[in-house]
Amino acid sequence: ETGVTQTPRHLVMGMTNKKSLKCEQHLGHNAMYWYKQSAKKPLELMFVYNFKEQTENNSVPSRFSPECPNSSHLFLHLHTLQPEDSALYLCASSLDYSPLHFGNGTRLTVT
Amino acid sequence: QQQVKQSPQSLIVQKGGISIINCAYENTAFDYFPWYQQFPGKGPALLIAIRPDVSEKKEGRFTISFNKSAKQFSLHIMDSQPGDSATYFCAASRETSGSRLTFGEGTQLTVNP
Repeated sequence: ETGVTQTPRHLVMGMTNKKSLKCEQHLGHNAMYWYKQSAKKPLELMFVYNFKEQTENNSVPSRFSPECPNSSHLFLHLHTLQPEDSALYLCASSLDYSPLHFGNGTRLTVT
Repeated sequence: QQQVKQSPQSLIVQKGGISIINCAYENTAFDYFPWYQQFPGKGPALLIAIRPDVSEKKEGRFTISFNKSAKQFSLHIMDSQPGDSATYFCAASRETSGSRLTFGEGTQLTVNP
């Protein structure tokens, strides 16, 4: 148990579907992150939330829409995705100046 | 622009051997350098980290060597074990938090029994 729980673990969706990824952290952290992990590429930071406020958006396409209702929950809403969006999506959390704690990710396949 | 370059992409080592993974960075403002370990089906987990005021940090079989002038740092795994087989990521940050990380591309380590 990592303290950061992501659901679902696997998701297959068509390009016209709408789906959401969920992340919950049980560590009392105040910051939450979405990362994209593609094969043989560095982890890409997508979004950062601090105390529910979005503090960073790394030029992510609008077909990815984050939502952070409180410091413990983070969502990533997906719509009209492309096959190249297939990847492992990782959620992470941190407390102020502490290291990142990652969840186990959602493996997304866009068909 | 890739700010943290990691090599090799993959590494095969015999049990008991030494595994060495190298990283180079460009941004001299980086002041925190962690290594993450990722097993299949799991998220990355912090393994060991170093700040530039020291040249080496050791935790058990894992050692980070840091060369500030060359802007390079490396991970050494002594007495490598099959259970060390995983993907290793170096990273760098310009904040004391270590949260705004720039990652390397990862090294897939296989330790043969």
